[in-house]
Amino acid sequence: DIVMTQSPDSLAVSLGDQVTVNCKSSSTVVSTANNKIHLAWYQVKEGQPPKLLLYWATDRPFGVPDRFSATASGTDFTLTISRLEAEDAALYYCQQYYGTPTFGQGTKVEIK
Amino acid sequence: QVRLEQSGPQVKEPGASVKLSCQTSGYNFLKWPIYWVRRAPGQGPEWLGWIVPETGVALYADAQRDRLALTTDTSTSTSFMELRGLTSADSARYYCARGAGANFWCDNWGPGTQVTVSS
Repeated sequence: DIVMTQSPDSLAVSLGDQVTVNCKSSSTVVSTANNKIHLAWYQVKEGQPPKLLLYWATDRPFGVPDRFSATASGTDFTLTISRLEAEDAALYYCQQYYGTPTFGQGTKVEIK
Repeated sequence: QVRLEQSGPQVKEPGASVKLSCQTSGYNFLKWPIYWVRRAPGQGPEWLGWIVPETGVALYADAQRDRLALTTDTSTSTSFMELRGLTSADSARYYCARGAGANFWCDNWGPGTQVTVSS
C-alpha cells in the first residue's frame, strides 16, 4: 500500500493568516494513463463526516471556498488555506487513490 | 440532494459480528460505488472496501479481506457492511460514502455509525 505521511500533526494559526499542510506519498500517485494526480483532500470537523475539499490534487468541488487550494510536486503535496476563518478549525486529511485508497494520519488546525 | 443515512450505534462483544446499513437517496444508486471507511480516535481514516451496486463487484482492503463482506439491496438503494470476528481494534466510527468511481475520492459521506467492541 502507498503510505501517506502528513506534517505537521497539528498547528495553531491566527485568524486571517495562511495555513500550510503537507502530505507526502511513499510512491508516485501520478497516473501515466491520464497524467493526473490521484490525490484528494478532506476536512473533518468535530462530530461531522469528512467533507471533500479537493480532488485530482487541485480541483475544488462546487461550493468549496477558493481560499482552499493545493499544489503538487512529485510525491509532495501541499494544502493551503489562505485567510483562515474560524470555521476552518478542523482535521485535514490527504488521500491517494492511485492504488487502493489510503489516507494520511491527519493534521489538526486550531485557531490561535 | 445526495443523502446517505446510516444505522445506529452498536456495542458488540469480542468475537461477534456487526452488520451496518447505509441507505442512499437523491442519485442513481446503481452507478456510483459505495465506499466503507472507518476512523478510530486519534487515527487517520482507514479504507475498508468499496462495492459497485450495479454489478456487485467489490474490492476489499487486504487487512480485512477475510472477515469483511459488502453487499447491496438495489430495491432499497441500501448498502450493507458486515465485519466478523470483532476485536477491540475494530472499535471506530464507520462511514459509508459515495465514490466518484472505483478507486477514486468520495464526494458525499454518511454521518457514520459508532461501533464499540467491549466485553
